[in-house]
Amino acid sequence: DVKVTQSSRYLVKRTGEKVFLECVQDMDHENMFWYRQDPGLGLRLIYFSYDVKMKEKGDIPEGYSVSREKKERFSLILESASTNQTSMYLCASRLGTEAFFGQGTRLTVV
Amino acid sequence: SQQGEEDPQALSIQEGENATMNCSYKTSINNLQWYRQNSGRGLVHLILIRSNEREKHSGRLRVTLDTSKKSSSLLITASRAADTASYFCATALISGAGSYQLTFGKGTKLSVIP
Repeated sequence: DVKVTQSSRYLVKRTGEKVFLECVQDMDHENMFWYRQDPGLGLRLIYFSYDVKMKEKGDIPEGYSVSREKKERFSLILESASTNQTSMYLCASRLGTEAFFGQGTRLTVV
Repeated sequence: SQQGEEDPQALSIQEGENATMNCSYKTSINNLQWYRQNSGRGLVHLILIRSNEREKHSGRLRVTLDTSKKSSSLLITASRAADTASYFCATALISGAGSYQLTFGKGTKLSVIP
């Protein structure tokens, strides 16, 4: 079974903190994605990567950066967390036709 | 943004009825996929239809794609209470050296009443 693991299920951070959300997949997938999910807005693509050290901006990259130093790990970084980044963050990886999702990290910025 | 739009936003039906959800998108695509999300969980892939296909079936699922109208529909036949979930369409755009952008819509929340 494909496994996509997000490091935390729930996270509470303070405004201005640097926040790292980690995602690891165990199937040697090349493509990985970070989304945020908010009520009424669906899933919005933040960044995606198709290879080590390769990254592309999605629809809402502002306030975020990413790192892909190893194929299995794709990190989302909030350089200076703000309250409007409170959300559910979903990581996914893909090989072939379907994407596999982690369980999500619910981040609250206070 | 090529984020899709699902319609309706919410749908409530009786068990045994069919459920139809629609998705519209904005740009050209390589394929379109449908995913399901149970409350508070990650998404699970249901079915994929390529841009050169018009219809596809998988069990109780039927997907259609009209690239001229940039729209798709998902039909769930003989619905069950266990089908209660949110359903999302996702469009895939492949470009460059392996770049694969997967963009989701806002989702349809389906409630199937026993």
